[in-house]
Amino acid sequence: AQRVTQPEKLLSVFKGAPVELKCNYSYSGSPELFWYVQYSRQRLQLLLRHISRESIKGFTADLNKGETSFHLKKPFAQEEDSAMYYCALRGVEYGNKLVFGAGTILRVKS
Amino acid sequence: GAGVSQSPRYKVAKRGQDVALRCDPISGHVSLFWYQQALGQGPEFLTYFQNEAQLDKSGLPSDRFFAERPEGSVSTLKIQRTQQEDSAVYLCASSLGLASSYNEQFFGPGTRLTVL
Repeated sequence: AQRVTQPEKLLSVFKGAPVELKCNYSYSGSPELFWYVQYSRQRLQLLLRHISRESIKGFTADLNKGETSFHLKKPFAQEEDSAMYYCALRGVEYGNKLVFGAGTILRVKS
Repeated sequence: GAGVSQSPRYKVAKRGQDVALRCDPISGHVSLFWYQQALGQGPEFLTYFQNEAQLDKSGLPSDRFFAERPEGSVSTLKIQRTQQEDSAVYLCASSLGLASSYNEQFFGPGTRLTVL
C-alpha cells in the first residue's frame, strides 16, 4: 500500500529562519515524490518533484530511500512562503494516481 | 490560456439529491483526474481518464459515484443520492500527455459540495 505522512499540521517560523517540512512515505517499489503548494485563495500547484533535483523559490527536497523521507527545506523563510504544503507520492505499480499527505500549514511571521 | 476550470464552485445539496460536477481541462490535455478532499485532509484519488477512456476508477467510494468524459475533453462527476459524508471539495486535474512524473498535473479551483 502507498501512504504519505506529514506529521506536522502547522509549522510556525520567523522570517529568515530555516524551514523543514517533514514528509515520510510508505511504498515498496520505486516511488516518485512531489511537493505541492496551495497559497491563500489559489489553486493547488506543483512546487517541485524529486526526479528534477531542482530548487524552486529557494526550496529543495532530497529523497532518502533509507529513511523513506522527502523533507522540504529552505534555509531562510520569507513571508510569502506562508501556505499549505502537501507531499505526494506516485507509485508506478499503482497507476497514475497521486497519493497525498494531509498537508502542513507553514506560517512565516515577521 | 485559461487553466482548468470547474463548475459550480459551490454546491449545496439536500441529502438524497443527485449532483453533477463539471470539469473543463486545459485544451489538448490527454489525462484527466478527479480527487476528493475532505476537510483537513489531503486530496484523495477518485478516478483517471486518458482521453475518453476511464482507465482507473479504483478510488470511487461507492457505486453512487460515476464519472464520464465522452468526447475526451470535458468531464462530469455525478454523485447519486448524496450523503453527508460526500461533503468535500472535489478537485479536477489535467495533464498534457500520458500520466507520468514528467507530465505535471494542473489543478482546477475545486467544487465545494455541502450535503445537508
